[in-house]
Amino acid sequence: AQRVTQPEKLLSVFKGAPVELKCNYSYSGSPELFWYVQYSRQRLQLLLRHISRESIKGFTADLNKGETSFHLKKPFAQEEDSAMYYCALSVRDTGRRALTFGSGTRLQVQP
Amino acid sequence: ETGVTQSPTHLIKTRGQQVTLRCSSQSGHNTVSWYQQALGQGPQFIFQYYREEENGRGNFPPRFSGLQFPNYSSELNVNALELDDSALYLCASSWDLVSSAQYFGPGTRLTVL
Repeated sequence: AQRVTQPEKLLSVFKGAPVELKCNYSYSGSPELFWYVQYSRQRLQLLLRHISRESIKGFTADLNKGETSFHLKKPFAQEEDSAMYYCALSVRDTGRRALTFGSGTRLQVQP
Repeated sequence: ETGVTQSPTHLIKTRGQQVTLRCSSQSGHNTVSWYQQALGQGPQFIFQYYREEENGRGNFPPRFSGLQFPNYSSELNVNALELDDSALYLCASSWDLVSSAQYFGPGTRLTVL
């Protein structure tokens, strides 16, 4: 069975500092990885998916199959980045496309 | 705004009762998934429906059941409520089984006393 681990419950940085939210996964097949974000009093929304290889709001994430990681990075944090971030995995080898989520990391960007 | 809506926003029930939660998917989305999010945890997959048929189930007992209707609405039913069923219930829709990008509703907060 697949598993997603986000080792940090809380990450606190100052505005302008680099940010790295860690995500490790376990799955022997070919996964699809996502980052979802939940701002205060808003719904969960898709931030990034690894197959798109895009940068959204300055965030990037690279899938490292050797290290089974999909860390989320931003070079200069902004106060509006403060939110709950969830890493999620979808298994591409089955007809069911359910997401397996990590337990989330709260990012606090201090002024 | 993604267009996925859920009702009600909050609900309080007592142990042993039954509850029905509702979701309206984004128009054109044939797949709906339901998740349970306990406090301090990430969402956990309950089950998925594709074109009104169940298409997979997570590690939840049979007292969790669902329905999907042709008008892009769906239901999550929970029988014999237990205290541990207290959680935020999320529905998420996507275009089809190929796309994994899911669009979430705001959730229904269920409290079981």
